Formats: sequence, structure tokens, C-alpha cells
Amino acid sequence: GESVGLHLPTLSVQEGDNSIINCAYSNSASDYFIWYKQESGKGPQFIIDIRSNMDKRQGQRVTVLLNKTVKHLSLQIAATQPGDSAVYFCAEAVTSGSRLTFGEGTQLTVNP
Amino acid sequence: NAGVMQNPRHLVRRRGQEARLRCSPMKGHSHVYWYRQLPEEGLKFMVYLQKENIIDESGMPKERFSAEFPKEGPSILRIQQVVRGDSAAYFCASSSTAYNQPQHFGDGTRLSIL
Repeated sequence: GESVGLHLPTLSVQEGDNSIINCAYSNSASDYFIWYKQESGKGPQFIIDIRSNMDKRQGQRVTVLLNKTVKHLSLQIAATQPGDSAVYFCAEAVTSGSRLTFGEGTQLTVNP
Repeated sequence: NAGVMQNPRHLVRRRGQEARLRCSPMKGHSHVYWYRQLPEEGLKFMVYLQKENIIDESGMPKERFSAEFPKEGPSILRIQQVVRGDSAAYFCASSSTAYNQPQHFGDGTRLSIL
């Protein structure tokens, strides 16, 4: 399944499928990007980050892709599990400052 | 577990009262950030502090809100004369350095104004 960020804030997938969550960032000066997972009643949990000198980075079951040309970021989750159900936020920052600017989030629902 | 600790988890205040939110950063972290989250929305930056210094407060409302991170003790976000519109979840994050390091978040304080 695939979402396009603000226009499709919900994504529903079957357990075991791969999920792709997209994010369009706005500041061309941003050079650091992070994905967070937020479960109900909890704070954002760090998933993976990437710097602007990279276009791909892999973690455990997750991959982040960065396309600076079109200012696009995506999070791929392999073999999605029910425990992956949450809201996913992308965030960006510029080197000269450290404040994070968050996107509006995508609700991922994994159906067993 | 030396994660970011916030208290209280829930805080109820009447209009006009003061709210104090506390944040203890992760061990070894000297950079603290406060964010506010309204229902169904993303987090909005408020303020960035290091020990005894406010580095960036560009996201803080000009009135009634203040923040500090003293040499000893937790960081405090203070809201004076609260109004209904202050109802939100307030999250604190910390990092080991300012640049290109992930910020780690606490579980927030849910502030409700009656």
C-alpha cells in the first residue's frame, strides 16, 4: 500500500504486506530528516534518520528514501505487523538550527 | 531506563491558573526542546534550551509562556493565566548535540483547561 502524505492521511494494509508512507517537505534548506512513530497516548518514537548527503538508508525492516530534487521523503516498512499500527510523522531540520518541523502524519492500520 | 521523563502525565487547570510542566532529559543530553500537539495534528516547535540558556524561542507565544532549563533540575515549561486554547499535549525532547542527531521524546503532558 502507498500513501501520499497530506492528501491521504490514512493507510490500511494487510499483515505481511510492505507499506510505503510518503512525505513532501517544504524547506529546500533542510538537510536532516527523521521518521517517528507515535502510538496513542505516547510520545513520538524515533525510527530512522537520514542526512541530505544520502538518498537511502536502511534499518531493521525499514528503509528511508530521500529525493532532494522533488523534496520527497518516504518510509518503507517491510512485512508490516499489527504492532506497526500507529501514526507516522516525517520531520525535517536545517543544520544551522535544530528545531524540527513536522509533517501532519499518516495513520497506518495493519489488518490481521 | 534513562529515557526522557515528563511529569505530570495529565494536568487539569481552570482558566486563569498557572500550569507547570517538567521535563528531565535523557542521561548525557544537554539539549532540550518543547513541542505542542493539538488533537489530530503534528507537533509544533516551541522552544529549544541548553543548560541555563534559551537558544531558540521562535515558536513560543509572546505572552504567558516561558521556559527554563536550570543548571540543576528539570526543564520547566510554564504557562500563566491559562485559557481553553492552551489545552493540548506538550512534549519534551532531548538530544546529545544540536545538529543532525535524533531528538528523543518523552510521553508528554496532557493539559486540559476547564
